[in-house]
Amino acid sequence: GAGVSQSPSNKVTEKGKDVELRCDPISGHTALYWYRQRLGQGLEFLIYFQGNSAPDKSGLPSDRFSAERTGESVSTLTIQRTQQEDSAVYLCASSSPGQALMAPYEQYFGPGTRLTVT
Amino acid sequence: AQSVTQPDIHITVSEGASLELRCNYSYGATPYLFWYVQSPGQGLQLLLKYFSGDTLVQGIKGFEAEFKRSQSSFNLRKPSVHWSDAAEYFCAVGARRDDKIIFGKGTRLHILP
Repeated sequence: GAGVSQSPSNKVTEKGKDVELRCDPISGHTALYWYRQRLGQGLEFLIYFQGNSAPDKSGLPSDRFSAERTGESVSTLTIQRTQQEDSAVYLCASSSPGQALMAPYEQYFGPGTRLTVT
Repeated sequence: AQSVTQPDIHITVSEGASLELRCNYSYGATPYLFWYVQSPGQGLQLLLKYFSGDTLVQGIKGFEAEFKRSQSSFNLRKPSVHWSDAAEYFCAVGARRDDKIIFGKGTRLHILP
């Protein structure tokens, strides 16, 4: 089946504009994650959705960042009043129940959205 | 809260040489451990995972990793690297089901011809 998809693949925006990044997870995956990866850096956790539970927003760097998820489907990451330091690749991952009882889910990653703020 | 440390930011090895990438975790209970690879211009791909049982786990592309509880480590190894192994490698740790998975900052592997 189809993997995780993200759109757009590339986004160039002017400083101060708002942007929306979209993630379509694998069908049936209950968990969805957003990460930020700055050039040459590791993965920075942003937000985590799990089923109908309240999302874990502990990684969002400022109140300019927000994310929504409709049920167990598509998610949108919104960055308001973009700044140059927001330039990065934004990765989305989804996961499904693992084979081991009580084991965390392994993640399947999308190709990412490369955001450039000029 | 769980955490994971990859002490080496960059590693350079010659093609055909053996490889070991280090990963240390911190968690009070049994961790669930993963290694992912990110090749240039590619998305992240799962190499292998440890949930329970045999502490030596085999993954794709000839990689293996060994869970050592006494050392809180989950090092990734390969007997003989190929030029195509040049990539960024991420170790990740999870706790119980429904918890988020925490990634290390990554180790960038360079291969000398």
